[in-house]
Amino acid sequence: ETGVTQTPRHLVMGMTNKKSLKCEQHLGHNAMYWYKQSAKKPLELMFVYNFKEQTENNSVPSRFSPECPNSSHLFLHLHTLQPEDSALYLCASSQGGAGNEKLFFGSGTQLSVL
Amino acid sequence: QQQVKQSPQSLIVQKGGISIINCAYENTAFDYFPWYQQFPGKGPALLIAIRPDVSEKKEGRFTISFNKSAKQFSLHIMDSQPGDSATYFCAASKGTDKLIFGTGTRLQVFP
Repeated sequence: ETGVTQTPRHLVMGMTNKKSLKCEQHLGHNAMYWYKQSAKKPLELMFVYNFKEQTENNSVPSRFSPECPNSSHLFLHLHTLQPEDSALYLCASSQGGAGNEKLFFGSGTQLSVL
Repeated sequence: QQQVKQSPQSLIVQKGGISIINCAYENTAFDYFPWYQQFPGKGPALLIAIRPDVSEKKEGRFTISFNKSAKQFSLHIMDSQPGDSATYFCAASKGTDKLIFGTGTRLQVFP
């Protein structure tokens, strides 16, 4: 148990659906992240939140919309996705958000877009 | 210049053998080099990390070797076990900038 919980574990959605991914961390960390993991590609950083404020958005399409209501919870709202968005979406947290800190990952949500 | 190139893509090793995974980078300002281990159905977890002021770091059967002049670092798993079968990611960062990950190596250790 890493202290980072993601739900749902699996999600299948059509291109016109709206769904949300949820992440919760029980580690008292101040930074939370969304990563996209696709086969044979590096982990892609999507969004970073520090103390609930978004500090990084790596040119992610607007069909992905993050929300961080407090430092323990992070959401990724999905709308009109494309089949190429099918991937494993990982949430992570760290103490302060610096690149040389240990990242704690959740188990991910495996997303399939039909 | 921000990339971290990882090889091989997949690796099959006999139980008891040595597994070696290599990573190369271009940005000489990188100063933190971790390795993450990911089992199927789980997220990555930090395995071991090194900073460029040392050439080697060992934790149990896992060793990072760091070659600053060649801009390369590698993970060595001694006495590989079936339980080590996982995907391994190298990564690098500079100061407080976010980590740059490699593409991953899928390791399979057969009994």
